[in-house]
Amino acid sequence: DQQVKQNSPSLSVQEGRISILNCDYTNSMFDYFLWYKKYPAEGPTFLISISSIKDKNEDGRFTVFLNKSAKHLSLHIVPSQPGDSAVYFCAASRRNAGNMLTFGGGTRLMVKP
Amino acid sequence: GAVVSQHPSRVICKSGTSVKIECRSLDFQATTMFWYRQFPKQSLMLMATSNEGSKATYEQGVEKDKFLINHASLTLSTLTVTSAHPEDSSFYICSARTNTGPEETQYFGPGTRLLVL
Repeated sequence: DQQVKQNSPSLSVQEGRISILNCDYTNSMFDYFLWYKKYPAEGPTFLISISSIKDKNEDGRFTVFLNKSAKHLSLHIVPSQPGDSAVYFCAASRRNAGNMLTFGGGTRLMVKP
Repeated sequence: GAVVSQHPSRVICKSGTSVKIECRSLDFQATTMFWYRQFPKQSLMLMATSNEGSKATYEQGVEKDKFLINHASLTLSTLTVTSAHPEDSSFYICSARTNTGPEETQYFGPGTRLLVL
């Protein structure tokens, strides 16, 4: 049973436009969410996070939105740059249960120049 | 961020042999290390969690006798795939963090690609 899902395996966006990556979860006990970026043959690197007590967190070009009632979060990248091309994973954790990360399947973002 | 290294980055072995993968935290003491497995185009699946000096905790469905984990020091954890078979071919990623660290302080290694012939 996949508790964190990223339904779009890939996304193609023109440079300068907005990239929107989506993530859904089923476990209502998750209370912390993170986005990671991964290049081929490298480990994931942390991008941005959000606590369940918030609905938005912004860091430069990256904004994460959380809709708890819909169990949905999204990552917005604007403006998108070719260097943003990578696989993006969302992850969720329960902060009072060891902070273990449960990952989604990833979305490959391709930003075209 | 902190640096976590893995060695080797890539290994090809014959079926039936054992393969050891090392995970090192280079500039911090990692009281907790995690081992993940990633199949092509799929998610990172947590295999086990290890705390320094104690036995690893394995996720459901992961054979502890097949995937031996040793977390002997605060900077080194090893994963040994025993009697490897072609279905064990995968991308193995470790991560490390301090015991009390938040999720963001879980740093990932670059991964090891294992191919079993």
